[in-house]
Amino acid sequence: KAGVTQTPRYLIKTRGQQVTLSCSPISGHRSVSWYQQTPGQGLQFLFEYFSETQRNKGNFPGRFSGRQFSNSRSEMNVSTLELGDSALYLCASSLVAGDLSEQFFGPGTRLTVL
Amino acid sequence: SQKIEQNSEALNIQEGKTATLTCNYTNYSPAYLQWYRQDPGRGPVFLLLIRENEKEKRKERLKVTFDTTLKQSLFHITASQPADSATYLCALDVGNGQNFVFGPGTRLSVLP
Repeated sequence: KAGVTQTPRYLIKTRGQQVTLSCSPISGHRSVSWYQQTPGQGLQFLFEYFSETQRNKGNFPGRFSGRQFSNSRSEMNVSTLELGDSALYLCASSLVAGDLSEQFFGPGTRLTVL
Repeated sequence: SQKIEQNSEALNIQEGKTATLTCNYTNYSPAYLQWYRQDPGRGPVFLLLIRENEKEKRKERLKVTFDTTLKQSLFHITASQPADSATYLCALDVGNGQNFVFGPGTRLSVLP
């Protein structure tokens, strides 16, 4: 079974631009969560989607948004990029939301904002 | 304020010894806690989950304890090997089953 895939793996943008990251969960998994990981703040929860609906949201500004499609693939968007948005963005999928099932993480997208 | 801490940023131990990593939290009441392993440049990999009503969970050379009174979880790797060298993260469920708060991680180095 293929794991969680994220595209692109690396991205360089400049301040003020916007970016869209993509995540394909493991086949059959319906819950997708997004995380931001930085050396200073560690791994922080962004949001979680299940059946195309956002179930939970972390403490991030409205510039961070996401969506999930009917095939469970998910995208996250960051608008008006700031230098502090440079981070590793990870998505994780699980079978069903809220059932204590383990999360499977993708390799991440390394975003650098110049 | 709510806080989750892991005992040290880095831990060095000799091969064959038991590594013990600590996760402490304040002002959370997690229903369960997870431990993950993360290698450089890769996403975290799930290792173990322990529920609030469980005292201990084992998987091969791994053992996790969960003390909700002390608000602490201990993660043990017995007979450690250089291949166990990685960063280990604890994560608390803070509601709704998928909203996790992660600790800062402990970078474990097992020396041959």
